Amino acid sequence: SQQGEEDPQALSIQEGENATMNCSYKTSINNLQWYRQNSGRGLVHLILIRSNEREKHSGRLRVTLDTSKKSSSLLITASRAADTASYFCATDLYNNNDMRFGAGTRLTVKP
Amino acid sequence: EPEVTQTPSHQVTQMGQEVILRCVPISNHLYFYWYRQILGQKVEFLVSFYNNEISEKSEIFDDQFSVERPDGSNFTLKIRSTKLEDSAMYFCASMVDVTYNEQFFGPGTRLTVL
Repeated sequence: SQQGEEDPQALSIQEGENATMNCSYKTSINNLQWYRQNSGRGLVHLILIRSNEREKHSGRLRVTLDTSKKSSSLLITASRAADTASYFCATDLYNNNDMRFGAGTRLTVKP
Repeated sequence: EPEVTQTPSHQVTQMGQEVILRCVPISNHLYFYWYRQILGQKVEFLVSFYNNEISEKSEIFDDQFSVERPDGSNFTLKIRSTKLEDSAMYFCASMVDVTYNEQFFGPGTRLTVL
């Protein structure tokens, strides 16, 4: 079954602005992770948030998780042109650590 | 910093040929995965591997696919008879254990089936 649906599908902002991307999922999870992918390249792990956590920070990244709404958000503050990439959320199902990815949000940060 | 490596970076093959994609996971990791991403689409789970056997596989991972850990370092994905629709990026990932649960991805192998 499909997990991890991101929205918006595409987001275009100016450098310095904040970017917020959302992810929804359907079933109970152990963890939710956010990944970044530059065009045609591999996946870079950004942050993992466990199902018993509500918020996590890493540098300019802030992730929230609302298990009651089965949703997560990724906030990138003070965006830079180098943040231009696709961002994916991935969930692993409870008792199963295989990950399911969403379709991703394509973020463009204009200089 | 240790990383997952994959070879080759790009593989071109004729339809019907066998291909083997290679991955070297991070050395102390115990769980291994293959994912694929068809151009412009989402990353899809193929198979997970632990303790020298498949833990789980998706519906994509049919009889044409197999995985192997032939020695202590390599983790391979074999496609026996490639189809045009197998063209995709194939990502290997590894994880140290289920407690921590972060999967580290390799850079991917781009497979082109002609």
